[in-house]
Amino acid sequence: GAGVSQTPSNKVTEKGKYVELRCDPISGHTALYWYRQSLGQGPEFLIYFQGTGAADDSGLPNDRFFAVRPEGSVSTLKIQRTERGDSAVYLCASSFDRGTHEQFFGPGTRLTVL
Amino acid sequence: GQQLNQSPQSMFIQEGEDVSMNCTSSSIFNTWLWYKQDPGEGPVLLIALYKAGELTSNGRLTAQFGITRKDSFLNISASIPSDVGIYFCAGHNAGNNRKLIWGLGTSLAVNP
Repeated sequence: GAGVSQTPSNKVTEKGKYVELRCDPISGHTALYWYRQSLGQGPEFLIYFQGTGAADDSGLPNDRFFAVRPEGSVSTLKIQRTERGDSAVYLCASSFDRGTHEQFFGPGTRLTVL
Repeated sequence: GQQLNQSPQSMFIQEGEDVSMNCTSSSIFNTWLWYKQDPGEGPVLLIALYKAGELTSNGRLTAQFGITRKDSFLNISASIPSDVGIYFCAGHNAGNNRKLIWGLGTSLAVNP
């Protein structure tokens, strides 16, 4: 498939646990974005990468959230000591890092913290 | 953070009717994007606009980049049941690296 893929599609965890969410961007896209979406809301920006480096992480809500992209392709969003308020759909998008601002989204990972 | 004002918040229409929704911003944008999101899916890009005054069509969808660069409109003609979903506008201005600013969405329901 040529689109953005995300795994898992659903994740249920208990409060206090650690989770990792994975994103595979479109091949050739050097920019990668993580968003969080709550019910009835638009996507909320978390972080974006240009290549391997985080170009802007101003949207990460606190230090329990961290993301990496070690080889400039696949990215992992990591959440430590999960809280019930972290429950949301986590969306990943990718784009070229020059020219157009068109971002292409994956299907998301629905995280439920019990 | 900054958000776009998107209206209406929701619409319920009859199949075959035309639909219009819009987004406004307090600041100037150089890009407007319109997305559609179905339940359980990520947003799908419908139309991208890059120039003030630009009018772009994608099938039954038409979007315009306002000449003030502070607004954009999306029209859907002759709606069909599969148009149901949430439509989001997103904009970019030069001071935001590659971050997009998002509206809260317009929820569209179509009665067959």
